[in-house]
Amino acid sequence: GENVEQHPSTLSVQEGDSAVIKCTYSDSASNYFPWYKQELGKRPQLIIDIRSNVGEKKDQRIAVTLNKTAKHFSLHITETQPEDSAVYFCAAPPGTGFQKLVFGTGTRLLVSP
Amino acid sequence: NAGVTQTPKFRILKIGQSMTLQCAQDMNHNYMYWYRQDPGMGLKLIYYSVGAGITDKGEVPNGYNVSRSTTEDFPLRLELAAPSQTSVYFCASSYSETGGARRQYFGPGTRLTVT
Repeated sequence: GENVEQHPSTLSVQEGDSAVIKCTYSDSASNYFPWYKQELGKRPQLIIDIRSNVGEKKDQRIAVTLNKTAKHFSLHITETQPEDSAVYFCAAPPGTGFQKLVFGTGTRLLVSP
Repeated sequence: NAGVTQTPKFRILKIGQSMTLQCAQDMNHNYMYWYRQDPGMGLKLIYYSVGAGITDKGEVPNGYNVSRSTTEDFPLRLELAAPSQTSVYFCASSYSETGGARRQYFGPGTRLTVT
């Protein structure tokens, strides 16, 4: 089955710095890669996603890049702000045609003022 | 639209008790899911449904049961609660006409403690 590994588990940055979180997946047929943000005590919320026919997608300060050959995708947050502090999860489906997602173990991002 | 709703928000169960966690969505989504999230951990899929009358097991189905009699509702049943089922339970839904993974939208969660 699909295995999704996420690194680092914790990340501390200063406000204004950039943050990068990386995930690797095992099933080369996976074709959809979302990122979720979860604030303390709240539900996971989708912040950005990418399909396998696209190498990069950007939404304001957030971007996701995909390297299908290496089977990894990364979340990039530029000009970090304290409100970016949260746990971030990546996910991938076990192959194509599957509505299930396998989630990574999460990265706790702390942005210090 | 209310999106995905869950009840109750919190519940404390004694070992051996049973309960049903309710989940409903008003987005006409065909796919629905139940996840559990243990403290400081990621999300584990318990059960999912691809439409009314169709359910399937996820990674951690033992100790749980589900049913999907309507498009809108997807209750999760815990029989004989055990301390290992202490967790936060999230329901989610998504829509796809052609299959393949799509965006999942999560409910607010139910925090369950079994003592």
